[in-house]
Amino acid sequence: NAGVTQTPKFRVLKTGQSMTLLCAQDMNHEYMYWYRQDPGMGLRLIHYSVGEGTTAKGEVPDGYNVSRLKKQNFLLGLESAAPSQTSVYFCASIDKGAVREQYFGPGTRLTVT
Amino acid sequence: GQSLEQPSEVTAVEGAIVQINCTYQTSGFYGLSWYQQHDGGAPTFLSYNALDGLEETGRFSSFLSRSDSYGYLLLQELQMKDSASYFCAVREDQAGTALIFGKGTTLSVSS
Repeated sequence: NAGVTQTPKFRVLKTGQSMTLLCAQDMNHEYMYWYRQDPGMGLRLIHYSVGEGTTAKGEVPDGYNVSRLKKQNFLLGLESAAPSQTSVYFCASIDKGAVREQYFGPGTRLTVT
Repeated sequence: GQSLEQPSEVTAVEGAIVQINCTYQTSGFYGLSWYQQHDGGAPTFLSYNALDGLEETGRFSSFLSRSDSYGYLLLQELQMKDSASYFCAVREDQAGTALIFGKGTTLSVSS
């Protein structure tokens, strides 16, 4: 099993550009999450999904959109990137029958200039 | 409001024991987790406490006191490879959809 994978690993965007981050998991987990991590800020939840076709807002959703068209994939979109969105983005998934442990992807390092 | 407080930095020497504390104030509480993160990589799960008391997993132990809204991670027989960031996280809802993370504690282990 690959676990949780994220694409791309690194990206540099100019202000106003758009992009989509892809998260994929092969563990058949129901719940998936997108976090951002900034220096000294810990992990903050952007959006999450409790199943295919469902999404919900987290703590810091502004400027982001998400989609969960397939159970194994969770996409995070930035429609018009801003320098404040420079961050490391982590995807995570969890088995709804064993919610004690989240499995994290390796992260995507995004810089917006 | 919601908050999790943990020390920003802790230093120790190899072989020592270190305790990382976490106090929380959240709208709901169903459990306290601990995660380890090396050099900005993927956080990895260490332990989870839903009930009061001590959970032991090898060199790592975690404690919870729900009445005090307090928990800690205890690392014994420290090794250089334990140098990392450690995050406490509160599970706020029964379904497990809401996990609130602390800002992390950077542990530096020296020889």
